[in-house]
Amino acid sequence: SYVLTQPPSVSVAPGQTATITCGGNNIVAKSVHWHQQKPGQAPVVVVYNDIDRPSGIPERFSGSNSGSAATLTISGVEAGDEADYYCQVWHGGADHEGVFGGGTKLTVL
Amino acid sequence: EQLVESGGGVVQSGTSLRLSCRTSDSAFYGYAFHWVRQAPGKGLVWLATISDDGDAKFYATAAKGRFRISRDDSTSTLSLQMSGLRPDDSGVYYCARGLAGDPPDPYTMWGQGTMVSVFS
Repeated sequence: SYVLTQPPSVSVAPGQTATITCGGNNIVAKSVHWHQQKPGQAPVVVVYNDIDRPSGIPERFSGSNSGSAATLTISGVEAGDEADYYCQVWHGGADHEGVFGGGTKLTVL
Repeated sequence: EQLVESGGGVVQSGTSLRLSCRTSDSAFYGYAFHWVRQAPGKGLVWLATISDDGDAKFYATAAKGRFRISRDDSTSTLSLQMSGLRPDDSGVYYCARGLAGDPPDPYTMWGQGTMVSVFS
C-alpha cells in the first residue's frame, strides 16, 4: 500500500511562514490534497490538486508538488490557523485506495 | 449544501451498525463518496469509496469483508453497513463527497461526523 509521511508537528510565530511537507513514493505523479482540521471540528479542504484553493480559503494557503515531496505553505500565519493538517492522495493502479498522511499539528507560538 | 451523518452509537463488540449520510439531490447524484474514520486522538483513515454510478467500490484492508458501502440515489443517501465490530473500530466516522471519474477525489465536502463506540 501507499504511504504518505508528514512531520508530526510544526511551530511558527504569528506572521511567519509555515511549511508542512508530505513525502511519498513518486508523489510528484499524484494529485495531492490538503485538509485542515481544528479541534472538535470536521476537516476542511484547504488545497486540492497540488495547488488549487477552494473558494473561501485565504490566499495565504498555497501548495506545491515537486521533487520528493508535496508542500503546504501558510504565509502570514495567524492564531486561527492552529490546527492539524493532513495530506491525502488517491492511489490507483492495482490497489485503488485513499491514503492520508499521519497529520501535522501546526502550533502558532 | 451539507452532508449529514447519522447512525452512530455505543455498541457491543461483535454486533452490527449501519451509518447513513444524506444530502440534497443536487449534491449527491453524479458524485463519488468516501467514508473516513478518526479514532480518538488519532489521524484520519480512509475506509471505503463508492463511485458516482455505484458500480465500483473500494475498501481499506481494515474494512474488507466486514464493511459494505452503498448508495441510494433515489433518497440521496450513502450508507456504511458495518458488521463484526471491534473496539478498534471506535471513532468518528465522516462521509466525504468526491468527484465523478477516476480518481474519485478531491474531497469537495465533508460531513460533521458520527461517533461510534464499541465496547468489549
